Amino acid sequence: DAKTTQPPSMDCAEGRAANLPCNHSTISGNEYVYWYRQIHSQGPQYIIHGLKNNETNEMASLIITEDRKSSTLILPHATLRDTAVYYCIVRVDPLERYSGGSNYKLTFGKGTLLTVNP
Amino acid sequence: DSGVTQTPKHLITATGQRVTLRCSPRSGDLSVYWYQQSLDQGLQFLIQYYNGEERAKGNILERFSAQQFPDLHSELNLSSLELGDSALYFCASSAGQGSYNEQFFGPGTRLTVL
Repeated sequence: DAKTTQPPSMDCAEGRAANLPCNHSTISGNEYVYWYRQIHSQGPQYIIHGLKNNETNEMASLIITEDRKSSTLILPHATLRDTAVYYCIVRVDPLERYSGGSNYKLTFGKGTLLTVNP
Repeated sequence: DSGVTQTPKHLITATGQRVTLRCSPRSGDLSVYWYQQSLDQGLQFLIQYYNGEERAKGNILERFSAQQFPDLHSELNLSSLELGDSALYFCASSAGQGSYNEQFFGPGTRLTVL
């Protein structure tokens, strides 16, 4: 899986949009971008994923650059409960077969600690 | 609530001992994953089972083993425990072969080795 680079920490004011960047310059054509978050010592929580088109769900939006070398997770109206470590993960299509390993595991980096301030 | 349950929530034991962590996946999920989170190593994938069969191994020590039972619950066995095994152990599950996009994580078991 390609490696990702995220800033170690970010601050955001409550009610404002939080934009979390991720660089994945070595991403391959068959690799997806996933975002998970982990609220203090709880189990990680899936947020969103995408291949090359922008994606939106009830939690967030994912913007992937045209060259797919970076992406931004957007929390449109951050709340105090959004304070967490956000992980950007690049992973091959789980349904694509290849030898030598698992398509299904998640490889977590250090993530970005987002602190939402009142 | 993710629907994944893990027991116990906390476990305190001594070096050299053996413990078993238990995970019940979401109803209908066939895949179970185990992850270890320690302060120095972060979140690391250990092992995956699908419908009772081992599918992938990550950075799992030889002192550790796991299995998935016919009712799909899974157990992670940790033996000859060392101080460095102190960590949060998470179990996650996902739907069958057709959907791997989202893994649902349990609340974790915090293991403290004294």
